[in-house]
Amino acid sequence: GENVEQHPSTLSVQEGDSAVIKCTYSDSASNYFPWYKQELGKGPQLIIDIRSNVGEKKDQRIAVTLNKTAKHFSLHITETQPEDSAVYFCAASSRNNRLAFGKGNQVVVIP
Amino acid sequence: NAGVTQTPKFQVLKTGQSMTLQCAQDMNHEYMSWYRQDPGMGLRLIHYSVGAGITDQGEVPNGYNVSRSTTEDFPLRLLSAAPSQTSVYFCASKPIAGVSTDTQYFGPGTRLTVL
Repeated sequence: GENVEQHPSTLSVQEGDSAVIKCTYSDSASNYFPWYKQELGKGPQLIIDIRSNVGEKKDQRIAVTLNKTAKHFSLHITETQPEDSAVYFCAASSRNNRLAFGKGNQVVVIP
Repeated sequence: NAGVTQTPKFQVLKTGQSMTLQCAQDMNHEYMSWYRQDPGMGLRLIHYSVGAGITDQGEVPNGYNVSRSTTEDFPLRLLSAAPSQTSVYFCASKPIAGVSTDTQYFGPGTRLTVL
């Protein structure tokens, strides 16, 4: 099945700087790549997603890029704010329309 | 819409006890699923359902049962709890037909401790 790797596991950034989280996937047939944000004590919430027919998507301060050849996709957060501190999960839609998740990345924004 | 709701929020069980984690959604989504979240392990799929009367196993199904008698409800049963089932459990749902068939909506989670 699909295997999603997420790096780094923890990322600390100064407020106002950019944060980048990278994920790799194994199944070349995967065609949907969402990013979820999980705040403490809450369920994951979708923040942005991208499909395999698009190379980049942006929504205000967050963007996702996809490189199908290298089988990796990245989350970019610009002008980070304290409320961006959370755990971020990437995922890939494997066969049978099931999502395979990465192990998560703790982002800490230092005021 | 309440979205995806889960009860209880917290539960402590003794080894060997049984219980049911409840999940309900009011968005008329066909697809529902259960995940467990363990430190450093991300989210792992336990069971899922593509509609009433249809269920299938995910990545880590052992020790769990599910049923889907209605579109709205998808309970997860632990028949004989074990300490290895200590985890946070999330229910999620999404539509199968329509425009946004990939976006999964998650509930707030149930934190389960098995002693």
